[in-house]
Amino acid sequence: GAVVSQHPSRVICKSGTSVKIECRSLDFQATTMFWYRQFPKQSLMLMATSNEGSKATYEQGVEKDKFLINHASLTLSTLTVTSAHPEDSSFYICSATTHRGKTEAFFGQGTRLTVV
Amino acid sequence: KQEVTQIPAALSVPEGENLVLNCSFTDSAIYNLQWFRQDPGKGLTSLLLIQSSQREQTSGRLNASLDKSSGRSTLYIAASQPGDSATYLCAVHHNTDKLIFGTGTRLQVFP
Repeated sequence: GAVVSQHPSRVICKSGTSVKIECRSLDFQATTMFWYRQFPKQSLMLMATSNEGSKATYEQGVEKDKFLINHASLTLSTLTVTSAHPEDSSFYICSATTHRGKTEAFFGQGTRLTVV
Repeated sequence: KQEVTQIPAALSVPEGENLVLNCSFTDSAIYNLQWFRQDPGKGLTSLLLIQSSQREQTSGRLNASLDKSSGRSTLYIAASQPGDSATYLCAVHHNTDKLIFGTGTRLQVFP
């Protein structure tokens, strides 16, 4: 299947700093990318959906000013956690699809964020 | 609002058993449904994708069915092995362009 690369796989940062997570589709053009957050032993919670060239659509309860999403090209989306706090510590996963979600979704390896 | 539920939440079985994992969704307006596997601390591995017009898909020991009208999908695992131990997630591509995940089933297959 197609490859989605997420970087970094692990990051530790200090409270108050910002962290950027990259999600790249390596061998296909991703018209739609999804960002998820996963708490321990829980399922994936959709944070936002982004279509290339347009603003991300955030789920209810997700602060768009805190979780900045940019989908500037068909192969790259970034999630920036701004002014991180310990409660932002989590596992973040991106996903990419073509044809606005009508095809198979491929996932990155995930990023374990720890805010100290 | 689309809600996706998986039953059972956890399952522990001896090696060799045939298993059925269930997934239900509240809104039948979907493009497709996908089953994933997730190992602890890892990302997701896609297992099977069923388009909304299809009834089932098979890959090796895995068979997934879809009954869109009733909002149900099942994942059948034949002759389970310890290596099948993982969390299994179903997800629906909703026609609002969202990919919504189920609550997951944690499977443990012991020798």
